[in-house]
Amino acid sequence: DAGVIQSPRHEVTEMGQEVTLRCKPISGHNSLFWYRQTMMRGLELLIYFNNNVPIDDSGMPEDRFSAKMPNASFSTLKIQPSEPRDSAVYFCASRQGLNTGELFFGEGSRLTVL
Amino acid sequence: AQSVTQLGSHVSVSEGALVLLRCNYSSSVPPYLFWYVQYPNQGLQLLLKYTTGATLVKGINGFEAEFKKSETSFHLTKPSAHMSDAAEYFCAVTLAGNTPLVFGKGTRLSVIA
Repeated sequence: DAGVIQSPRHEVTEMGQEVTLRCKPISGHNSLFWYRQTMMRGLELLIYFNNNVPIDDSGMPEDRFSAKMPNASFSTLKIQPSEPRDSAVYFCASRQGLNTGELFFGEGSRLTVL
Repeated sequence: AQSVTQLGSHVSVSEGALVLLRCNYSSSVPPYLFWYVQYPNQGLQLLLKYTTGATLVKGINGFEAEFKKSETSFHLTKPSAHMSDAAEYFCAVTLAGNTPLVFGKGTRLSVIA
């Protein structure tokens, strides 16, 4: 069975450009999470969805960040406009059921903003 | 709010030696605790978890952890380190219900031949 699929794996862009990261969760999982990983701040939760509904977006750094989940099999994280401080690895993860269940991570999207 | 503190951002052990990675949590109610491992350029994988029941939890690759409520700890151990154990290890906590995991800052384990 396929795991969590993220694209692109690597993205290099210039400051001010729009960036869209994509995630396909594991089929049947009803919760989806976006995390950001940096050396300085570790793993930070940006936003999570239950049954395609955003539950908590308090971790989204600022209005430049937005996330959507139009259906159970697809989510996007958009940064517009991008800034150098957004450079990080962005992970998508999904889970079935309540939080005693395992969180499955994608391989991440490494973003570099020049 | 719940949180975890991992003591030591980098731990180095010799091959065959005991591995001990420390995690302390803060929670006002009984927590659920997890250890995840991250190999270079990969996502995180679950090593083991504690939800309820037995406080000594065994995971994959010979790792285990013990939930100690009196010490608010959930330290990860492995009797004998192997070169393939070199990775970043994350402790995480959550509460009952459908809430997200809160991760510690991670501990990078190096294994010396």
